[in-house]
Amino acid sequence: AQSVTQLDSQVPVFEEAPVELRCNYSSSVSVYLFWYVQYPNQGLQLLLKYLSGSTLVKGINGFEAEFNKSQTSFHLRKPSVHISDTAEYFCAVSGGSNFGNEKLTFGTGTRLTIIP
Amino acid sequence: NAGVTQTPKFQVLKTGQSMTLQCAQDMNHNSMYWYRQDPGMGLRLIYYSASEGTTDKGEVPNGYNVSRLNKREFSLRLESAAPSQTSVYFCASPPLGLANTGELFFGEGSRLTVL
Repeated sequence: AQSVTQLDSQVPVFEEAPVELRCNYSSSVSVYLFWYVQYPNQGLQLLLKYLSGSTLVKGINGFEAEFNKSQTSFHLRKPSVHISDTAEYFCAVSGGSNFGNEKLTFGTGTRLTIIP
Repeated sequence: NAGVTQTPKFQVLKTGQSMTLQCAQDMNHNSMYWYRQDPGMGLRLIYYSASEGTTDKGEVPNGYNVSRLNKREFSLRLESAAPSQTSVYFCASPPLGLANTGELFFGEGSRLTVL
């Protein structure tokens, strides 16, 4: 079984400051990792994903994440945030299925609030 | 979110009433999923369907039934709604043309309140 831990439920950040949202996972097999963003009263939108290859993954809206296998982490970063980044961010993991239909397991989410 | 369409977007029920959430996808993928989202708990898988005619339980299936009507449609039914089922429900399917790595394309959600 796999699980995802997002330690920070809320992160307030001043506008134009850098931000890091933390995500740790546990799995006994190789994983695929994802970050999704949910803007207020909307559905979830894929921000970025790690499937294989380079451990530094770039996504939309200037976000990036680094896969660290030894630390089982997939932290999300942005060097300078904007008001429009206010949203809830979910880390998710899949992998280990034995019938080829992967299922996503989500973390509990981190609410990012940008302070003007 | 044109790829996955959910109806209704909002619904208020009384305890004990039944209802069905409808989901349709036009990405021609075999897999479809139903999740519920609750504050502080993220998204939890209720049921999924790996292909037409098959369904399997996820993490929180109690109180729900599902039907995979055809390749496009996957419905979620609450036979006797309870206040604990107040939640936002999301249907999802893998994006068009991609192997099933777990990446999902989500509908806009259905907000259900059970009084």
